[in-house]
Amino acid sequence: ETGVTQTPRHLVMGMTNKKSLKCEQHLGHNAMYWYKQSAKKPLELMFVYNFKEQTENNSVPSRFSPECPNSSHLFLHLHTLQPEDSALYLCASSPLLGRDKTQYFGPGTRLLVL
Amino acid sequence: RKEVEQDPGPFNVPEGATVTFNCTYSNSASQSFFWYRQDCRKEPKLLMSVYSSGNEDGRFTAQLNRASQYISLLIRDSKLSDSATYLCVVNPQRDYKLSFGAGTTVTVRA
Repeated sequence: ETGVTQTPRHLVMGMTNKKSLKCEQHLGHNAMYWYKQSAKKPLELMFVYNFKEQTENNSVPSRFSPECPNSSHLFLHLHTLQPEDSALYLCASSPLLGRDKTQYFGPGTRLLVL
Repeated sequence: RKEVEQDPGPFNVPEGATVTFNCTYSNSASQSFFWYRQDCRKEPKLLMSVYSSGNEDGRFTAQLNRASQYISLLIRDSKLSDSATYLCVVNPQRDYKLSFGAGTTVTVRA
């Protein structure tokens, strides 16, 4: 299944590095999301974009910076991260309009901050 | 109170058994409900939506109890491939955001 793709799949970075996560959806959806998933915890919503406009920033630290150039692409720029930021970062998309609230997830980027 | 709460398990069941687990949600105005499945080190995938009248998809049956604010998932004739973490997901408002439970882990043994 290649509806939502994410790169890289794995990332190891030091606390002084700058890196970017990329997400692309091929489903014609209008909403895109970034989630953080830590071990044994529920998915934490980080950012929501609706038609390229950011509609949600769930009190995410400024060391995470999202970018949505169009409805199909979403980036998460990372800088000066902390070890506790190590987690699985999931991108999702959804149709937004209508009754279908289903979100479709990418495979995630497993991030380790040293 | 958490928006969505689940028994983390694990539920260890033999092949062929039936297993049921629940999830409770806090917002009585919640409109849409889902079960997602997440395999180890993979992304969540939609298993089934949950409708007011209850619904069945093969060996999986989902029920919604609005009065008590819980949903359930029943798996009949468990297969080894059913081993996964099952996420309870609720749409608590009339927008597009979803709230996720932490998941119930099910392990089916031969």
